[in-house]
Amino acid sequence: SAVISQKPSRDICQRGTSLTIQCQVDSQVTMMFWYRQQPGQSLTLIATANQGSEATYESGFVIDKFPISRPNLTFSTLTVSNMSPEDSSIYLCSVDSGIHEQYFGPGTRLTVT
Amino acid sequence: QKEVEQDPGPLSVPEGAIVSLNCTYSNSAFQYFMWYRQYSRKGPELLMYTYSSGNKEDGRFTAQVDKSSKYISLFIRDSQPSDSATYLCAMSAKGSGNTGKLIFGQGTTLQVKP
Repeated sequence: SAVISQKPSRDICQRGTSLTIQCQVDSQVTMMFWYRQQPGQSLTLIATANQGSEATYESGFVIDKFPISRPNLTFSTLTVSNMSPEDSSIYLCSVDSGIHEQYFGPGTRLTVT
Repeated sequence: QKEVEQDPGPLSVPEGAIVSLNCTYSNSAFQYFMWYRQYSRKGPELLMYTYSSGNKEDGRFTAQVDKSSKYISLFIRDSQPSDSATYLCAMSAKGSGNTGKLIFGQGTTLQVKP
């Protein structure tokens, strides 16, 4: 299994500001994903980030709000832009092992005031 | 109707009990079925992965998939207090050696009492 780290682990941000979340994997992976887990809810996919191409966003999520970078096969960032209290969530990155298994990072707990 | 339905619980059992966790789904294209365990303030941890129909056993955990009924289960034998967590089912239609987009159930919160 892959070892995934995320930074920051948690943050409290003011409305209207932006936060960039980093995801680092200990091995090269083709597919990385960003999920959101709102309080008391399950996980919802925000976008798929492949190295060397634009991220693919799910319905309801747009690049202007959640820009993603994928500069290499071990790293990705997700930015939450112009934040509002509704963006308060846990943001998780995950990677596909290439053998039908997907592994998750520890998550970034974001609170917007 | 949600693509994946899972009873959120909470489910409380005594230590040593057999626990049954279930999910139903509506998309017949799903081929890959996973169970994740999530402790409070942690990321989901992959417990079991099953392809198509059938059973898979790993220690105290058994995963079952019945594609004809669109129903999956996770059984935990001899449950322990350390099993107390939220259990999430997840499914994917993607093939070709990768999982692609996972669709998650709401998660079932399990408490195992000593």
